[in-house]
Amino acid sequence: DSGVTQTPKHLITATGQRVTLRCSPRSGDLSVYWYQQSLDQGLQFLIHYYNGEERAKGNILERFSAQQFPDLHSELNLSSLELGDSALYFCASSADRASSYNSPLHFGNGTRLTVT
Amino acid sequence: GQQLNQSPQSMFIQEGEDVSMNCTSSSIFNTWLWYKQDPGEGPVLLIALYKAGELTSNGRLTAQFGITRKDSFLNISASIPSDVGIYFCAGRVPFGNEKLTFGTGTRLTIIP
Repeated sequence: DSGVTQTPKHLITATGQRVTLRCSPRSGDLSVYWYQQSLDQGLQFLIHYYNGEERAKGNILERFSAQQFPDLHSELNLSSLELGDSALYFCASSADRASSYNSPLHFGNGTRLTVT
Repeated sequence: GQQLNQSPQSMFIQEGEDVSMNCTSSSIFNTWLWYKQDPGEGPVLLIALYKAGELTSNGRLTAQFGITRKDSFLNISASIPSDVGIYFCAGRVPFGNEKLTFGTGTRLTIIP
């Protein structure tokens, strides 16, 4: 158990809809990262938050947004969903500190999103 | 952006065999990490490397941070059935780019 909790585990929705994925990081971790993994693909970096502030953006579509709340949990919002958005979405946390973003990432078990 | 080439893409081996996989980067990295992912689960950290030339073991697993800082390998000795899964390398470039770039994975299958 990595200590990172993601909900829901599975999500099935229709095209055009909006969903929210939730992540609780490991206790004490200030950094939260979101990654997308399509079928049999590697992990694509979406976005990184540190202590409530956005730190880095990757290949995140404009239809997607995220935030990290004061209690450090994070939500990834996906809107105007398309068939191609079907994927596994992983959250990871790390013990990074502002002086050094070099700690390993610890991943949750992901949310499997199916858009029909 | 950084690109990570991971090879081989897949391996079919017999139980007890040794396994070797590697990653090469177009950029210099200051961190190399190796993860294993089982079906339906998130990647689990196996080994973390922080210095060029560093050689680190975790049980039957050994990984090295290449001296050029552009490559890393992972070896698994005496493979067992629970080694089946997808292995990912991941790396970070220095100087403030915090994102972790992942390789495309090596799928390990053990033939009975």
